[in-house]
Amino acid sequence: DTGVSQDPRHKITKRGQNVTFRCDPISEHNRLYWYRQTLGQGPEFLTYFQNEAQLEKSRLLSDRFSAERPKGSFSTLEIQRTEQGDSAMYLCASDLVLRGYTFGSGTRLTVV
Amino acid sequence: RKEVEQDPGPFNVPEGATVAFNCTYSNSASQSFFWYRQDCRKEPKLLMSVYSSGNEDGRFTAQLNRASQYISLLIRDSKLSDSATYLCVVNLYNTNAGKSTFGDGTTLTVKP
Repeated sequence: DTGVSQDPRHKITKRGQNVTFRCDPISEHNRLYWYRQTLGQGPEFLTYFQNEAQLEKSRLLSDRFSAERPKGSFSTLEIQRTEQGDSAMYLCASDLVLRGYTFGSGTRLTVV
Repeated sequence: RKEVEQDPGPFNVPEGATVAFNCTYSNSASQSFFWYRQDCRKEPKLLMSVYSSGNEDGRFTAQLNRASQYISLLIRDSKLSDSATYLCVVNLYNTNAGKSTFGDGTTLTVKP
């Protein structure tokens, strides 16, 4: 297992289009997180899964954002009707209790 | 006021110098604390957890002051490879579950 994988690495989309990102966590990690990061800022929490259950979702996350983790393995993050303000790096992380996060390399989204 | 605040720097130090960063957090109920480093255009990577008793890992020492609600990171004998952005991270649970709050980072540049 080589770590957390995210796909795609880069995505350019037109405003109003839907996009979906995938994250494959480290296999033995049952906790999975999505964060968003813009230039000069720290990562901002979006949502958290333990196994297949979505246990926490940021109040900042509009209803255009949805995340799933079917069967407690990989996860997808979908953004509907993208806006320019959605342009950011979307980071997935997984962890075990008290071990700290292992992040994927991220998906850089550009909305034009 | 941000939940986690860091001096953005940049800190520019010569090789071999000792440098210290502080981070303050607003929620006194916070239970777990971490330092991550992030290289330019890369994902954050766990540097170390911060324990109540303080902890050391080679040239790096982390301290927690619950009364004053700050954590610190000390880097001794700085190397060129220490140049990065250092992110302070705070979580409400001692299991580090759910949302973690990241600071915006302190940038360190170590010069020859």
